[in-house]
Amino acid sequence: AQSVTQLGSHVSVSEGALVLLRCNYSSSVPPYLFWYVQYPNQGLQLLLKYTSAATLVKGINGFEAEFKKSETSFHLTKPSAHMSDAAEYFCAVSDRVGGFKTIFGAGTRLFVKA
Amino acid sequence: EPEVTQTPSHQVTQMGQEVILRCVPISNHLYFYWYRQILGQKVEFLVSFYNNEISEKSEIFDDQFSVERPDGSNFTLKIRSTKLEDSAMYFCASSETGSSNYGYTFGSGTRLTVV
Repeated sequence: AQSVTQLGSHVSVSEGALVLLRCNYSSSVPPYLFWYVQYPNQGLQLLLKYTSAATLVKGINGFEAEFKKSETSFHLTKPSAHMSDAAEYFCAVSDRVGGFKTIFGAGTRLFVKA
Repeated sequence: EPEVTQTPSHQVTQMGQEVILRCVPISNHLYFYWYRQILGQKVEFLVSFYNNEISEKSEIFDDQFSVERPDGSNFTLKIRSTKLEDSAMYFCASSETGSSNYGYTFGSGTRLTVV
C-alpha cells in the first residue's frame, strides 16, 4: 500500500528565509508525487508534480521539489519565504498502474513571521 | 481558468437527515472524485467515478454514501443518514485523464456540520 509521511505538522520560518517541508513516501511501484497547497477556507491547489521526468520539479509561486529515490523523499523547498506562502501543504502519492486515487499526507502548516 | 464548483459552501444538518453535496466538474474532465477532510486531519479519499460508475472506493465509503452524475454537468455525493462523525469538509475533484500523473483540480469544498 502506498503512503506518505510529512515530517512536522507545523513549520515556522521568517520572511525571506528558506522554506523546507519534508515528505517521505512508501510505494511498491515507482510513484507519481504531488504537492498541494490549501489556503484558509479554500480548496486544494496543485503546486507541482513528479511524473518520472526530471527529478527536480519546479512549481508555481517559486516552489520546487526534488525526487530522491534512494531516500524515498520528495521535499518541498522555496529559497525565500513570503507572507503569502502561509498555508497548509500536502504531499500526495498515486501509483502508476490504474490508480484512480491519490493518497495525501497529514499536511504541514507553514507559518511565516514578519 | 476552469474551476470545479461546489455547492453549498456550508451545510448544517441534523443527525439522521439526508444530505446531497453538489459539484460541477470541469467540462472536459472525465474522472471525478470525492475526498473529505475532518477538521485538523488529513485529506481522505472517498470515491472515484468514471464512465458513470464507481472506479474505486475507500472503506469510509459505506452503504450510507452514494454518488451520481444525474446529468452532463453535475456530480453529487449523497449521505443517506448523517452521523456526527460525518462532519467534515468535502472536496470534489476532477481530472482530464485517469492516469495518475495528471493531478486533480479541486473545488473549494463544502463544510458539512452534523448536529
